[in-house]
Amino acid sequence: GAVVSQHPSRVICKSGTSVKIECRSLDFQATTMFWYRQFPKQSLMLMATSNEGSKATYEQGVEKDKFLINHASLTLSTLTVTSAHPEDSSFYICSARDVMGARETQYFGPGTRLLVL
Amino acid sequence: GQNIDQPTEMTATEGAIVQINCTYQTSGFNGLFWYQQHAGEAPTFLSYNVLDGLEEKGRFSSFLSRSKGYSYLLLKELQMKDSASYLCAGMDSNYQLIWGAGTKLIIKP
Repeated sequence: GAVVSQHPSRVICKSGTSVKIECRSLDFQATTMFWYRQFPKQSLMLMATSNEGSKATYEQGVEKDKFLINHASLTLSTLTVTSAHPEDSSFYICSARDVMGARETQYFGPGTRLLVL
Repeated sequence: GQNIDQPTEMTATEGAIVQINCTYQTSGFNGLFWYQQHAGEAPTFLSYNVLDGLEEKGRFSSFLSRSKGYSYLLLKELQMKDSASYLCAGMDSNYQLIWGAGTKLIIKP
């Protein structure tokens, strides 16, 4: 299946710093990528939809100025958590939409575990 | 509204068969997905159904009935490593995945 990478896999930072997470589709072009966060023992929560070459679409309740998304190329989307606080500590997962003919699916990156101290 | 329902938890025995059901309501429909998620890891893709019927892939099979808004994931010859959460997700008319809360599958020896 298609491969999506995510970097870094784990990050620990001080409160107030910014953290950038990269999501790459390695063997296909993804015009659309998605960013999720997941708290322990809870469902995936969609944060935003990232479209190549245009502004991201944020879900209700997600601060776009805090979670900056850039989808500059067909294989790379970045999520920057600005001025991170302890409540931002979570598991951040990206997925990339792969469309092949009439079938499509989303492949997930391995996730980034963020801990804000 | 859009909604995905699946059981919270199921228990099965190693070597047996288990069926995880999912009912969905989405605005438009572009397919039904099943993902497996082990604790602390990202989900991995298992199956995609957009037409009615059963799709078999090794020990795992997935079924879809669009008229009933119903799908199931069938796992055969259960192994201990199959202990995980299984997520059902419907894709709506905007190609956005609507997620169920996941079914935690516990496999006992």
